[in-house]
Amino acid sequence: NAGVTQTPKFQVLKTGQSMTLQCAQDMNHNSMYWYRQDPGMGLRLIYYSASEGTTDKGEVPNGYNVSRLNKREFSLRLESAAPSQTSVYFCASSEVLGAPVAKNIQYFGAGTRLSVL
Amino acid sequence: LAKTTQPISMDSYEGQEVNITCSHNNIATNDYITWYQQFPSQGPRFIIQGYKTKVTNEVASLFIPADRKSSTLSLPRVSLSDTAVYYCLVGSYQTGANNLFFGTGTRLTVIP
Repeated sequence: NAGVTQTPKFQVLKTGQSMTLQCAQDMNHNSMYWYRQDPGMGLRLIYYSASEGTTDKGEVPNGYNVSRLNKREFSLRLESAAPSQTSVYFCASSEVLGAPVAKNIQYFGAGTRLSVL
Repeated sequence: LAKTTQPISMDSYEGQEVNITCSHNNIATNDYITWYQQFPSQGPRFIIQGYKTKVTNEVASLFIPADRKSSTLSLPRVSLSDTAVYYCLVGSYQTGANNLFFGTGTRLTVIP
């Protein structure tokens, strides 16, 4: 009964280094999301994937890339990390239920705490 | 674009009922209202969702007036473990995930 699993849990990078944050869900959800949360702030959407094979930008996509590897997995890549990307990153997944107005309830992972020095 | 406005913080004593109101003046016809709870060092957790009138589950009630421009999350008889940040979101699959904004939420502190 894992739900949404994120790896790693913690990471420290130097400016300019690259890394990929991994996310996997076992709930057979179509939609997946990446958010960042800065201290004392709410969550801001980076990218999302409405279904396998599609990705779209959210509120703060600059400096990030994503890959929807398959229905289960959605990864977030930082090509050249910057101190401004120090944050907690959350992955979420959801299923769309109902018609004609569809509900969308998101389930979140435990987060990845990233520090860029 | 249905952004939301919530109080930044609230305090309550144990055993009291807590009501957190969220304003969403620009809510669209297809939008649902969803509340999440977040504990420190954890991801948000779904509490309750509604479209209109009143919804109740085992942990909370959600009151939505006819005009849907606001909503109130009601937590009955809070305990110390209810200390958390509560987020109100409006949106739907139709309006798109990039129209879902968490905002800064309401930090609820339950006092013994």
